[in-house]
Amino acid sequence: DSGVTQTPKHLITATGQRVTLRCSPRSGDLSVYWYQQSLDQGLQFLIQYYNGEERAKGNILERFSAQQFPDLHSELNLSSLELGDSALYFCASSAGPQETQYFGPGTRLLVL
Amino acid sequence: DAKTTQPPSMDCAEGRAANLPCNHSTISGNEYVYWYRQIHSQGPQYIIHGLKNNETNEMASLIITEDRKSSTLILPHATLRDTAVYYCIVRVYRGATNKLIFGTGTLLAVQP
Repeated sequence: DSGVTQTPKHLITATGQRVTLRCSPRSGDLSVYWYQQSLDQGLQFLIQYYNGEERAKGNILERFSAQQFPDLHSELNLSSLELGDSALYFCASSAGPQETQYFGPGTRLLVL
Repeated sequence: DAKTTQPPSMDCAEGRAANLPCNHSTISGNEYVYWYRQIHSQGPQYIIHGLKNNETNEMASLIITEDRKSSTLILPHATLRDTAVYYCIVRVYRGATNKLIFGTGTLLAVQP
């Protein structure tokens, strides 16, 4: 158990819909990261937050957005969902921007 | 970011040492080598990391060559539960950006 929690574990929705994935970092960690793992793309970095501020963006679509709240939990919002958005979404956290990242168990999203 | 090369798959007998190689010939002086593993579709699990010196923890040992162009992860006594995809990652910390770039990894199959 890494100490990073993600909800929900599974999510099934339809194309065109919007969903919100939630991540609670390890106690004391200030940095949160989101990654997407699909069958054809592997694990890809989406976005990084540090203490509420966005620090880096990766291959994140414009239909996706994220934020980190004052209590340090983070949410990833996916809108106008397409079939290709079906994937595992992982959250990771680290104590600071340079520190080791620890991953949560992931949210499996299925878009029908 | 430095690219890593790993064999796509390896087998290991239960109870024997598993030696997983990784090439990172373009690594720079300030770049760390990180190892994670992913068991089935669970969240990636941190194993070990190093910069120049060999490292050992309760899970594994990391041997980095003197020129730092390659490394080997050693699981001293592999068990069936070590069957997983192992990722070797060269991590750059740059301007508060701390993203991990995952390759395709090595699927280690531990045989009974």
